[in-house]
Amino acid sequence: AQRVTQPEKLLSVFKGAPVELKCNYSYSGSPELFWYVQYSRQRLQLLLRHISRESIKGFTADLNKGETSFHLKKPFAQEEDSAMYYCALRLTGGGNKLTFGTGTQLKVEL
Amino acid sequence: DAGVTQSPTHLIKTRGQHVTLRCSPISGHKSVSWYQQVLGQGPQFIFQYYEKEERGRGNFPDRFSARQFPNYSSELNVNALLLGDSALYLCASSLVFSGGDTQYFGPGTRLTVL
Repeated sequence: AQRVTQPEKLLSVFKGAPVELKCNYSYSGSPELFWYVQYSRQRLQLLLRHISRESIKGFTADLNKGETSFHLKKPFAQEEDSAMYYCALRLTGGGNKLTFGTGTQLKVEL
Repeated sequence: DAGVTQSPTHLIKTRGQHVTLRCSPISGHKSVSWYQQVLGQGPQFIFQYYEKEERGRGNFPDRFSARQFPNYSSELNVNALLLGDSALYLCASSLVFSGGDTQYFGPGTRLTVL
C-alpha cells in the first residue's frame, strides 16, 4: 500500500532563512504528488502539485523518483509562511483518493 | 461562491449513537470525497462519490456509509459511534472524478464522541 512520510512534526526557522520540508513516499508505480497547506483558522488548500512544476508563494517542490521524495523548498522564509503543511499522494487511476502524510508545522520566527 | 460548506460545525455524541454529517460542494462540482482527520494525523480517505455513485472506499468499517444526492450534496453517516471516531471530518469537492482535478476542502465538522 502507498505511504507518505513527513519525518518532522515541527520545523522552526528564522525569517529570511531557507526552508525545506521533507516528504518521502512509498509506491511502486507513478503517483501524483501534492503539497497542501493549512494556515491558522483556514481550511486545507492546495499549495502545489508536481505535474505543474510551478512556484507558488516562492515554494517549489521537485519529484525525485529515485529517492521517492517530494521535498518542499523556499529560499527565504516569510512570517506568513507559518502554517501546517501536508504532503499527499494520488495514484494514477485512483480517482481523487489522496493519501496524506502526518504533516509538518512550520514556524517562522522573527 | 462560499466554497465547500459543511454542517454542523461541531457535534457531540455519546458512544453507540448515530451521526449524520452534511456537505455541499462548490457549484458545478460533481465529485465529493470524505476524509477523517484524527488529532495529530493527516486526513485519511473514507469515500469518494461521483455522479451519485460510490467510486472509492478507504479502509473504514461498515459503520461508515455515505451517499450523494441529485444536487451533488453528500451525507456521511456513522453508526454505533466509538470513542475512536472522534475526529475532524473533512469534505472535498472537485469537478470530475479524476484526471488531475483539484480538490477543494471544506472547513470540516468536529465530532466528539463521549
